[in-house]
Amino acid sequence: DTAVSQTPKYLVTQMGNDKSIKCEQNLGHDTMYWYKQDSKKFLKIMFSYNNKELIINETVPNRFSPKSPDKAHLNLHINSLELGDSAVYFCASSYPGASQFFGPGTRLTVL
Amino acid sequence: QQQVKQSPQSLIVQKGGISIINCAYENTAFDYFPWYQQFPGKGPALLIAIRPDVSEKKEGRFTISFNKSAKQFSLHIMDSQPGDSATYFCAASLSGTYKYIFGTGTRLKVLA
Repeated sequence: DTAVSQTPKYLVTQMGNDKSIKCEQNLGHDTMYWYKQDSKKFLKIMFSYNNKELIINETVPNRFSPKSPDKAHLNLHINSLELGDSAVYFCASSYPGASQFFGPGTRLTVL
Repeated sequence: QQQVKQSPQSLIVQKGGISIINCAYENTAFDYFPWYQQFPGKGPALLIAIRPDVSEKKEGRFTISFNKSAKQFSLHIMDSQPGDSATYFCAASLSGTYKYIFGTGTRLKVLA
């Protein structure tokens, strides 16, 4: 199926740990994004990559480090997890300025 | 300049009624305005989108009305159904750029 997929769907971890979330899209899009959705449902963009190059970095703590090995993959690594990092993280992809296609989300819970 | 203001925050509508969600933007350079629907536990999914060269776009029960001079656009859901109960986001973007600005979301509940 053509889609944006993320793994894992759920992630429960202790404060201070390091974790990664993986994203893959097979839609042929050049641009991929990471969004954070908090408990109030606000969608906040974190990063955007175009053809493996970082183009948007929205004042995200440097504990968050995205990595794009190729234009179909965008991973998110989070160091020293904090309670406030608990949220749902969405990966998305699109052509520039066109509709974004979102993954199913990764619910991160930091204890 | 970069905000998209969305209202109401929540909305309760009777089955068969019309649901209306409004958004206002500031940056006149925006030229692409999509609406997304998000069900609990799922990612947002594109519902319908419009460009400012038209004032209205209809797809089934969903209609976007666009007022370029007022810098406002709205989503109308006709004959609202309980299955429409979800969170709706408006967004604005500029063609060829990489950034979307999302509204703050509207939680719609359609009563059976």
